[in-house]
Amino acid sequence: LAKTTQPISMDSYEGQEVNITCSHNNIATNDYITWYQQFPSQGPRFIIQGYKTKVTNEVASLFIPADRKSSTLSLPRVSLSDTAVYYCLVGGSDSNYQLIWGAGTKLIIKP
Amino acid sequence: SQTIHQWPATLVQPVGSPLSLECTVEGTSNPNLYWYRQAAGRGLQLLFYSVGIGQISSEVPQNLSASRPQDRQFILSSKKLLLSDSGFYLCAWNTGDGNQPQHFGDGTRLSIL
Repeated sequence: LAKTTQPISMDSYEGQEVNITCSHNNIATNDYITWYQQFPSQGPRFIIQGYKTKVTNEVASLFIPADRKSSTLSLPRVSLSDTAVYYCLVGGSDSNYQLIWGAGTKLIIKP
Repeated sequence: SQTIHQWPATLVQPVGSPLSLECTVEGTSNPNLYWYRQAAGRGLQLLFYSVGIGQISSEVPQNLSASRPQDRQFILSSKKLLLSDSGFYLCAWNTGDGNQPQHFGDGTRLSIL
């Protein structure tokens, strides 16, 4: 099972771009990388998923280098409502449904 | 569209009492279903997952059990709760293989007294 390493916390300001990097040195060949956002007392919410290179949707971008040993979630022009915990997940490609969730990155956006 | 319902939202139970948490999914068929527990300030710990009716895989030995009596219903149970069972319980679903994004319910905050 791949394990991930993320910063415990980050601070930023409204209107800034925020980049959260996740390390996953033991990622398997067929594993995808998935990011979730969690607000207090709510379930995590899917943000974005990718396998390699760059993926972009309406809320975020995901950058994955060629060796896939890390990934970076990019949140453009953050607002106070982006204050949350962000989780990076890898795994699940081998029909093994066990995903190991780390403690995530607590992102605090200041006015 | 697909929705997931989890209840109750909060629950306070005495030590040694039984537990039953229910989760139902609408708008999809044959989903994979998951039960997680989250301690304060920590990541999610997978407790059980199910890929079909009557198929339950347990990830953590404990006094909890899970059942899937219907395709879109997942139940978490205990005969006798322990203090250590306190936490935030989350139900989730996805379809296909383990790579597919999971969709979570709003969780149950369980406090054991």
